[in-house]
Amino acid sequence: AQTVTQSQPEMSVQEAETVTLSCTYDTSENNYYLFWYKQPPSRQMILVIRQEAYKQQNATENRFSVNFQKAAKSFSLKISDSQLGDTAMYFCAFSLIQGAQKLVFGQGTRLTINP
Amino acid sequence: KAGVTQTPRYLIKTRGQQVTLSCSPISGHRSVSWYQQTPGQGLQFLFEYFSETQRNKGNFPGRFSGRQFSNSRSEMNVSTLELGDSALYLCASSQDPFGAYNSPLHFGNGTRLTVT
Repeated sequence: AQTVTQSQPEMSVQEAETVTLSCTYDTSENNYYLFWYKQPPSRQMILVIRQEAYKQQNATENRFSVNFQKAAKSFSLKISDSQLGDTAMYFCAFSLIQGAQKLVFGQGTRLTINP
Repeated sequence: KAGVTQTPRYLIKTRGQQVTLSCSPISGHRSVSWYQQTPGQGLQFLFEYFSETQRNKGNFPGRFSGRQFSNSRSEMNVSTLELGDSALYLCASSQDPFGAYNSPLHFGNGTRLTVT
């Protein structure tokens, strides 16, 4: 079975700072997908960024980037130039390629961006 | 294009009752999956439907069931409600059930179920 661990329950930074959220996972599979989702107070889960395990290059989406370390089974999210609208719960998630709609989520990190 | 629509947004039920939650996927999306979110257990996969067939099921008791209709709309049912069933139930849809990477999940705003 796959597990995802987010060791930081809460984080808080000032607007415009850079923040890194940690995520580790455990799997015996070689090919899989990794995701970061954010959940603002509206409750809707929004995809932030995704990574294919067989791609060594780290994914980037504007101010969001990941540091994917496959051997260490680590998948951290870096948010640059943080904005007030980035305040949300952030969830790291894992899925196998087969049965790819079944996501395994971490417990989440509550991120607060202060003005 | 309208997003994933879940109804109702809030629901209060009594222990022992049953409840039905509804999910309308994004137009053109044929796969629908359901997740339960609680403070203690976090987000857990319930089940996934594609073309009216359940393709995948999480580790939940048989009191939790679902169905998908020919128009891809989905319902989930919980019978004999227990206090522990209080949770946010999230529905997600995608175009292609075989590629979560290229066809990522789009989530609704959820239904908040409270069991008293």
